[in-house]
Amino acid sequence: KQEVTQIPAALSVPEGENLVLNCSFTDSAIYNLQWFRQDPGKGLTSLLLIQSSQREQTSGRLNASLDKSSGRSTLYIAASQPGDSATYLCAVRGDYKLSFGAGTTVTVRA
Amino acid sequence: SAVISQKPSRDICQRGTSLTIQCQVDSQVTMMFWYRQQPGQSLTLIATANQGSEATYESGFVIDKFPISRPNLTFSTLTVSNMSPEDSSIYLCSVEGTGANYEQYFGPGTRLTVT
Repeated sequence: KQEVTQIPAALSVPEGENLVLNCSFTDSAIYNLQWFRQDPGKGLTSLLLIQSSQREQTSGRLNASLDKSSGRSTLYIAASQPGDSATYLCAVRGDYKLSFGAGTTVTVRA
Repeated sequence: SAVISQKPSRDICQRGTSLTIQCQVDSQVTMMFWYRQQPGQSLTLIATANQGSEATYESGFVIDKFPISRPNLTFSTLTVSNMSPEDSSIYLCSVEGTGANYEQYFGPGTRLTVT
């Protein structure tokens, strides 16, 4: 059974600081990995998707890396803003379904 | 990408009653998924719904408690039956995009409180 762990569980930083969010998974036989953002009481917004054959993906201030052999992914958010405050979820896709981590709740202080 | 809507967005229900949640997608999709997110927890897959076939339930979830319909390629419903306070959660509908990368998209969720 795939286990997905996200560290830290919560993070508070001043505006402008770079964010580093970690995700690890136990079974390296994945098809892809997605990072999502969830605002309180809301649904999920897809941020980045990395295929298992890729090493990283970038979108604006966001960069995600994937090391499939070691079962790790890292999401970097550059120059954080208060609007980046949310919970960030990592999910890995196996044969047909996503397995989610518990998330990292980020607070960016103005 | 896919745009997903859910109804209702939230509801407060009495224990012992049932609630049906609707999920509408703006494009035809093969696979639709229903997830539950209990307070303070991450997402857990309830079932996978393919058009024209019975839904496939994950371990710990049964059809009598969470019946699902999938009448066409853009619509699905999830019913939460005989509710108890433990069913208080956010219920989310999800679809796979039509691209080869199997990106998943989520609806805004239905926040259910059972009293």
